[in-house]
Amino acid sequence: DTGVSQDPRHKITKRGQNVTFRCDPISEHNRLYWYRQTLGQGPEFLTYFQNEAQLEKSRLLSDRFSAERPKGSFSTLEIQRTEQGDSAMYLCASSFPQGALSGANVLTFGAGSRLTVL
Amino acid sequence: AQSVTQLDSHVSVSEGTPVLLRCNYSSSYSPSLFWYVQHPNKGLQLLLKYTSAATLVKGINGFEAEFKKSETSFHLTKPSAHMSDAAEYFCVVSPSGAGSYQLTFGKGTKLSVIP
Repeated sequence: DTGVSQDPRHKITKRGQNVTFRCDPISEHNRLYWYRQTLGQGPEFLTYFQNEAQLEKSRLLSDRFSAERPKGSFSTLEIQRTEQGDSAMYLCASSFPQGALSGANVLTFGAGSRLTVL
Repeated sequence: AQSVTQLDSHVSVSEGTPVLLRCNYSSSYSPSLFWYVQHPNKGLQLLLKYTSAATLVKGINGFEAEFKKSETSFHLTKPSAHMSDAAEYFCVVSPSGAGSYQLTFGKGTKLSVIP
């Protein structure tokens, strides 16, 4: 296990289609996060899981966005009825729980999944 | 609430000269602060972190940052730039404790290194 893996790396879709991204975290990490990064901006937090529990989802951008982590290992982020404004890089990260490393939540990021909506 | 301002969107330096990337933060509690670097087509990589221990923090690849509470700053420095340092750099703040899952990123500073 060399890091956080995301698939696909690139996705081009037509407006109105559904897309799903997968994230495989570092196996020892029980926290998993999704962020979105648009051009010229820093990543913005969307949601996170501790094991299979989704502990924060209020920052998901609309009800078209949903995330799951059914067995506490990999996670999926689904966007339904995509819009051109959804075009962005979707980043996944994982970490140990708070306090496990020097009291700070140190995230390891994947390379991201770039979505283009035509 | 918390926020981060990176004062320069683009910094250009010559190879072998010092690097200074500026960051100011706003936080209503004692924060944790980080610098991440993003190379093209690569994941964000942690350079260094501040967590209320020593105010001068040393990171990887010769980078360091100093936490100045009175100035609410956390500037990133390196004595001598290398071509491989060309990338985008993000200053990040998070609460300590229960809210630590939510990182707030600055907009980034793109560092160019001129040979």
